[in-house]
Amino acid sequence: NFLLTQPHSVSESPGKTVTIPCTRSSGSIASNYVLWYQQRPGSSPTTVIYDDNQRPSGVPDRFSGSIDTSSNSAYLIVSGLRTEDEADYYCQSYDSNHWIFGGGTKVTVL
Amino acid sequence: QVQLQESGPGLVEPSETLSLTCTVSGGSVNRYYWSWIRQAPGKGLEWLGFIYHTGSTNYNPSVESRVTLSIDTSKNQFSLRMTSVTVADTAIYYCARHDGYDPFDPWGQGTLVTVSS
Repeated sequence: NFLLTQPHSVSESPGKTVTIPCTRSSGSIASNYVLWYQQRPGSSPTTVIYDDNQRPSGVPDRFSGSIDTSSNSAYLIVSGLRTEDEADYYCQSYDSNHWIFGGGTKVTVL
Repeated sequence: QVQLQESGPGLVEPSETLSLTCTVSGGSVNRYYWSWIRQAPGKGLEWLGFIYHTGSTNYNPSVESRVTLSIDTSKNQFSLRMTSVTVADTAIYYCARHDGYDPFDPWGQGTLVTVSS
């Protein structure tokens, strides 16, 4: 199986944009869909992006996802940052019926 | 809507067996995949394994030798059993539903299991 690597933390001011990378260690990032979860302190994770770039109903369009085969990475982009976006974000993918999570990125809204 | 609730002992002694149950309400376990995920204090998410409603299973290789998942359709529950636990198994344990490669949704609220003597 492969690993998914995320930066430990990112920070940005309200109203700005943050981009969180999730880099796949082996095999193509395009081989299997990538999902993103948001986890606020003391809460269970919730889905913000699935199938690389699809938003579940109820997730603001400030959240978007993409993949880049040249960097073999998936990206979660959060624009127009709000204080409520301060949370941990995890990427997830799968391989041969095994699910793999990235290590998580803490987003701090300054 | 479907809700999941984990239950089980909050404290387990080292070398003993950890047993947790996830009770499904508002829906049936007779469909979908049902996974267990854990999160050590201050750490990230780790998928442990899933069980399909037919009883077929798949496990994370890192815990495969110690973990067994089971499902009880009559009680609308599924369960996790982990043997030979150590302090490294101290974590919040979550159960979640998914349909193949779709998102894990919903999740249970999680239950903290501490391994300590």
